[in-house]
Amino acid sequence: DAGVTQSPTHLIKTRGQQVTLRCSPKSGHDTVSWYQQALGQGPQFIFQYYEEEERQRGNFPDRFSGHQFPNYSSELNVNALLLGDSALYLCASSLVAGGNQPQHFGDGTRLSIL
Amino acid sequence: QKEVEQNSGPLSVPEGAIASLNCTYSDRGSQSFFWYRQYSGKSPELIMFIYSNGDKEDGRFTAQLNKASQYVSLLIRDSQPSDSATYLCAVNRNSGYALNFGKGTSLLVTP
Repeated sequence: DAGVTQSPTHLIKTRGQQVTLRCSPKSGHDTVSWYQQALGQGPQFIFQYYEEEERQRGNFPDRFSGHQFPNYSSELNVNALLLGDSALYLCASSLVAGGNQPQHFGDGTRLSIL
Repeated sequence: QKEVEQNSGPLSVPEGAIASLNCTYSDRGSQSFFWYRQYSGKSPELIMFIYSNGDKEDGRFTAQLNKASQYVSLLIRDSQPSDSATYLCAVNRNSGYALNFGKGTSLLVTP
């Protein structure tokens, strides 16, 4: 049973560049959420995708955008990168149907901005 | 006021002891409560979830929820050095939607 997979594992970018991170949900899951975790902090919710639409969004600027594909996989795009965007980006998947289903996290993508 | 609060620690307990981790939340409409364990440099791993007032046990772990006091805790019995990690408390209002995390409590189990 494949868990949540994210790519790439690590990424180094410079200020002003753009980045795309990818996520494949756990088998059987249909919902993908993205979180940003700065060093020493808890994860902060960016947005959630269900049925290929953004279902909920956290307090992040429009530079952060996403997409969900028909196979439930998802991308997170960040434009005009800032030094403060350096963080661990986590993807979590869950199943909408079936009531209170917890979210399961992938291993994350560590993004460093120079 | 931060929505989910945890003591950052570190909480140090001897091997074999009970570790008690606490979390308070501000949103009275919160419905679901989760504990994740995060080892240094790794991603959060779900260890417990609880939806109703009272206790829920799973092996060495017990989650306790008191909605009236807006308080959730995690007890780890017979603590092992391998339990040393940061424990994140997460809360959400609507099932399946955004999780609000605390900053986490660092637990150190000493041999």
